Amino acid sequence: ELKVEQNPLFLSMQEGKNYTIYCNYSTTSDRLYWYRQDPGKSLESLFVLLSNGAVKQEGRLMASLDTKARLSTLHITAAVHDLSATYFCAVGRMVNTDKLIFGTGTRLQVFP
Amino acid sequence: GAVVSQHPSWVICKSGTSVKIECRSLDFQATTMFWYRQFPKQSLMLMATSNEGSKATYEQGVEKDKFLINHASLTLSTLTVTSAHPEDSSFYICSASKGRGELFFGEGSRLTVL
Repeated sequence: ELKVEQNPLFLSMQEGKNYTIYCNYSTTSDRLYWYRQDPGKSLESLFVLLSNGAVKQEGRLMASLDTKARLSTLHITAAVHDLSATYFCAVGRMVNTDKLIFGTGTRLQVFP
Repeated sequence: GAVVSQHPSWVICKSGTSVKIECRSLDFQATTMFWYRQFPKQSLMLMATSNEGSKATYEQGVEKDKFLINHASLTLSTLTVTSAHPEDSSFYICSASKGRGELFFGEGSRLTVL
């Protein structure tokens, strides 16, 4: 059974600082997604990572994927308050990759 | 980008009544849609896979008679929560597949059962 774990669960950090969120998954998969969710809202797609070694960057966020280690990271650079949200990684099951298993989520709070 | 719309956004109903939530892909055809539920401060949990023209596939532990799914056309899937109870109160989110791993999420529907 595919399990997806995120670490940390909650993160409070000062503006301008850097931090990395980790996403570990238990079985082989060929695609990994990162989403952002604001309170009371649905999901906003951030990244789709499709191959080993894939790295994508958008603004202050950078995501990477290591399929051999079954690990993805979401790195935050010079955090700003607007990044405060909950971040989820999700992994596609191998057989039907459109069926996603979500990680536990990381709630990020950025303060001045 | 592609748009997936859910309706209603928020519904409050009395215990024992049934509630229908719609998920529409507005600008593409989706042979497969997925229904998730999310409790407050928790992650999304896959409930079922909705396939156009065939029966939905439910995840383990999800009651198919409780959560009726109908995927009547390539752009519409509906989730009906039958005989709703307070424990069914949740945020329900659908996603639609455009194929090749392209997934689009609806805005979510918040159900509150009194």
